[in-house]
Amino acid sequence: QKEVEQDPGPLSVPEGAIVSLNCTYSNSAFQYFMWYRQYSRKGPELLMYTYSSGNKEDGRFTAQVDKSSKYISLFIRDSQPSDSATYLCAMSDGGGFKTIFGAGTRLFVKA
Amino acid sequence: SAVISQKPSRDICQRGTSLTIQCQVDSQVTMMFWYRQQPGQSLTLIATANQGSEATYESGFVIDKFPISRPNLTFSTLTVSNMSPEDSSIYLCSVSGSGELFFGEGSRLTVL
Repeated sequence: QKEVEQDPGPLSVPEGAIVSLNCTYSNSAFQYFMWYRQYSRKGPELLMYTYSSGNKEDGRFTAQVDKSSKYISLFIRDSQPSDSATYLCAMSDGGGFKTIFGAGTRLFVKA
Repeated sequence: SAVISQKPSRDICQRGTSLTIQCQVDSQVTMMFWYRQQPGQSLTLIATANQGSEATYESGFVIDKFPISRPNLTFSTLTVSNMSPEDSSIYLCSVSGSGELFFGEGSRLTVL
């Protein structure tokens, strides 16, 4: 069993749709949960960062962590074509030195 | 934040050859990380490069295949040795800051 499971997609949605991206994990020691966004031919960039369980909102983006279910989500409201990218979930038990990544979900937002 | 430059951005290599990827950071950092990103697979840590000491390799990666140099606090190289088509991948250099990982744009290698 992989430590982090993420559906690779691709996921195609129309502009303005609400997007839900998800990951499950197996290691209960994970405390830090992140979403990275990776545009084509670019390196990943941190999008959202959450510590432990709960929700965090930043503009059109909301990250949710449910540690009891070992399940994390990223919601994108009013999706835009510029949101088209690969979204990687990531998690660590602290310090950022040993971060485990999901395989990434490719998202296409059609104008 | 950190700005990371990698060279080459892409290359096509012949089986059995070796290629060295360079990573330059715009600030001094203690640790630099090398990741591999294969199509449809998770971003996987190859090794952690510390200045002045041997790199620390993750399970499944060995120094003979992926030798790493770290001559100073802003630079590192990763060599992919005796390449096979299975080594075709994107290789990413990364540094850590304030709990966040910063990545270069990656080096896309295709091995024929």
